[in-house]
Amino acid sequence: KAGVTQTPRYLIKTRGQQVTLSCSPISGHRSVSWYQQTPGQGLQFLFEYFSETQRNKGNFPGRFSGRQFSNSRSEMNVSTLELGDSALYLCASSLDGPGGYNSPLHFGNGTRLTVT
Amino acid sequence: DAKTTQPPSMDCAEGRAANLPCNHSTISGNEYVYWYRQIHSQGPQYIIHGLKNNETNEMASLIITEDRKSSTLILPHATLRDTAVYYCIVDNYGQNFVFGPGTRLSVLP
Repeated sequence: KAGVTQTPRYLIKTRGQQVTLSCSPISGHRSVSWYQQTPGQGLQFLFEYFSETQRNKGNFPGRFSGRQFSNSRSEMNVSTLELGDSALYLCASSLDGPGGYNSPLHFGNGTRLTVT
Repeated sequence: DAKTTQPPSMDCAEGRAANLPCNHSTISGNEYVYWYRQIHSQGPQYIIHGLKNNETNEMASLIITEDRKSSTLILPHATLRDTAVYYCIVDNYGQNFVFGPGTRLSVLP
């Protein structure tokens, strides 16, 4: 079974631009979560989608948004990029929500975003 | 804030068992203990999880104390490829995962 696929793998953008990252979950997984990883803050939860609805949201500004499609694929968008948005953005999928005996998160290898 | 406490780093000799401890003294009755590891520049890899019974799979064993306030991840025969940051997370259904800084395990030849 294919794992979580994230595209693109690397991205370089300029301050003020916007960016869209894509995530394809494991087949059959309906929940998709997004995390940001930086050296200073570690792994931080952005948001989680289930059946095309945002179910949980972390403490990030409104410039960070996401959506989920009917096939469970998900995108996240960051508008008006700042230098501090440079990070590894990780997508994870699970059968249902995070937690629950049969629903551990399975992560992709991320998109490394560099903002110059 | 993370609900777990882990040592920042540990060393282990190749071929020996690696025992990684985790304290989660405020764990509630419906929270599971999850272990993940992250090798540089890759996404976190799921290892194992459990509620109150000890668990074993092809990667590792998870020992949870009877009071559930701490647990130990055991890699029975560590190899150089097990060098990674190991994260212990407690979580209940429907909540987001809160990652702490984890334990940086170095397996030495």
